[in-house]
Amino acid sequence: DTGVSQDPRHKITKRGQNVTFRCDPISEHNRLYWYRQTLGQGPEFLTYFQNEAQLEKSRLLSDRFSAERPKGSFSTLEIQRTEQGDSAMYLCASSPDVFQGGIADTQYFGPGTRLTVL
Amino acid sequence: AQTVTQSQPEMSVQEAETVTLSCTYDTSESDYYLFWYKQPPSRQMILVIRQEAYKQQNATENRFSVNFQKAAKSFSLKISDSQLGDAAMYFCACSARQLTFGSGTQLTVLP
Repeated sequence: DTGVSQDPRHKITKRGQNVTFRCDPISEHNRLYWYRQTLGQGPEFLTYFQNEAQLEKSRLLSDRFSAERPKGSFSTLEIQRTEQGDSAMYLCASSPDVFQGGIADTQYFGPGTRLTVL
Repeated sequence: AQTVTQSQPEMSVQEAETVTLSCTYDTSESDYYLFWYKQPPSRQMILVIRQEAYKQQNATENRFSVNFQKAAKSFSLKISDSQLGDAAMYFCACSARQLTFGSGTQLTVLP
């Protein structure tokens, strides 16, 4: 079991550019989550997938953000026209769906992608 | 909607001593989990301990234990025999469909 991996680990971009992050969950975990964490704060939920279906999106996920999980395995998070306020750590987590669409079991986190928008 | 409150931004403990981190939560869900996660500096979030809300018995994991008071919506973490490697930011979290985190408690372990 290799754990949740994220790529890249660090991304520096200029305001207005598009960026894309990738997350590979633990194999056979059918739930995948994206969170955003700013310095000194707890992670905030962005969105989650059950297999390839995106089931919930936070109001934090503006229309510049889009997430996909095309085959129910890895996921990508794209931010278009980045703004300085997008600078944060983007965390991915995965969990098994023990309760068939009910409450979420333990989530295992990746190392995160730190985004800096200049 | 869920909220999680950690009222202690910073705590310190002497090595080998015991420390308790506080957490209160609010949720409208009848089924949920509670978690404590640890995040060392520049390192990834690691699960410390979890508690199923329907279980009355408090969870324990080696030196880590919780005091779960469901009626009071309180979920504190006790770390016994503190070690230098326990120094980290600790987050309390409540899970129905997704995790809601508190703002964290920075724990310093003094040698």
